[in-house]
Parts: sequence; structure tokens; C-alpha cells
Amino acid sequence: EAGVAQSPRYKIIEKRQSVAFWCNPISGHATLYWYQQILGQGPKLLIQFQNNGVVDDSQLPKDRFSAERLKGVDSTLKIQPAKLEDSAVYLCASSLTGVFDYEQYFGPGTRLTVT
Amino acid sequence: AQSVAQPEDQVNVAEGNPLTVKCTYSVSGNPYLFWYVQYPNRGLQFLLKYITGDNLVKGSYGFEAEFNKSQTSFHLKKPSALVSDSALYFCAVRDQAGTALIFGKGTTLSVSS
Repeated sequence: EAGVAQSPRYKIIEKRQSVAFWCNPISGHATLYWYQQILGQGPKLLIQFQNNGVVDDSQLPKDRFSAERLKGVDSTLKIQPAKLEDSAVYLCASSLTGVFDYEQYFGPGTRLTVT
Repeated sequence: AQSVAQPEDQVNVAEGNPLTVKCTYSVSGNPYLFWYVQYPNRGLQFLLKYITGDNLVKGSYGFEAEFNKSQTSFHLKKPSALVSDSALYFCAVRDQAGTALIFGKGTTLSVSS
């Protein structure tokens, strides 16, 4: 089966610019996650969707980050305006459901560099 | 609050030797524990999970992990390391009420030939 797809793979922007990332989860997976992985750290959840509804966005910096999952499939994550500390790898993951025992499948990530 | 600790930044082993990557956790209630591996420029790949049942869990690529409730540990093990096992390994935990996986900071495994 096809895995989680993400684009772009790399992005370099200047601070205060905006950027958007796209994710296509595994077909049939109802739950979609966006994680931020800063160099030297483990991934940190930004937002979780169940179908097209938000389940958890408690760690999303809502003054600059936004995410949507229209039609319950693809998702986009946007940063506007970007700050230097947003430099990280942004990982998208999906799982069959949000139930605690289901493993998550990760995409290759988008490496963002903010200069 | 849930947390995961991976006390070693790097583990070095010779090919053919057994390996252990350590993980301890803190969670209220029953823990649900996962190991993921990350190769350069690739996303995380699921290795194995402990939900309930036998304390020794077997996963992909010959890896296994032992759940120890009294020591709140979930160490990753392999009887005989391969050079191709060299990668970054993450332990993660969630509880039954939680939505998020909480990851450790990762341990780099280096297997020399």
C-alpha cells in the first residue's frame, strides 16, 4: 500500500515569510497528525485530526500556525509569519483510528529552514 | 504528565553483538509503549508496540522489547546487531486517555563492522 506522502521535501524561507506543507495520508486512515521535530529532539505533536475535525491542537502556536483537513483526507499546515525557531522537520502521520493502541505511520517529512 | 526518557544519546556496538537501547517512561494509568526507527532523510518507521499481555514483545527486523512495570522501562533489544541497524531510535508512550504520542529525544545506534 502507498505510504504517507508529503510535499515539499525541503523548503528554505526568510523569517516573516509564509509557508505551507501538504500531506496525503494512507488511504482509509481516519486520523491524521502533524508533528514538529526540532534537531536533536523527538517529534512533538502540533495537531491531530479525526476525519476533518480537530481532536487536539493544544500545542499548536495558533498565532502563526494553522492547519486544515478539508474532506477528511489531505491536510495542509501553514506558518505565517515564520520565525527562526520554526526551523525543523514537519512530519505528517496517519493511523487507522485515534484509538490508543494503533500505531502511526509517518511520511518522509518536510525540512524547513528559516533564515 | 507523560514523559519518556532515553538516557543514552548514542549506543555503539560491534556487528554480531547483542544490543540494548534503553527507555524509561512516566504515565498515569496503563502505558502504551512504542518503538520507532528513523533513517536519514526518512520518516519514522514503526518497530513494535506494547499494549497488554506478554512483557516481551517481538517486532520488525528481529527487534524485541521488554516491558518492566516495576522499573517503568521498555528497553529495545536485538540478539545480534547488523551494520544496517545503524539509525536513530525513538521510544514513545501514550496513555489510554491521551491522543498524542510522547517521544523521547532519541538514541543513535551505531553498529560497526
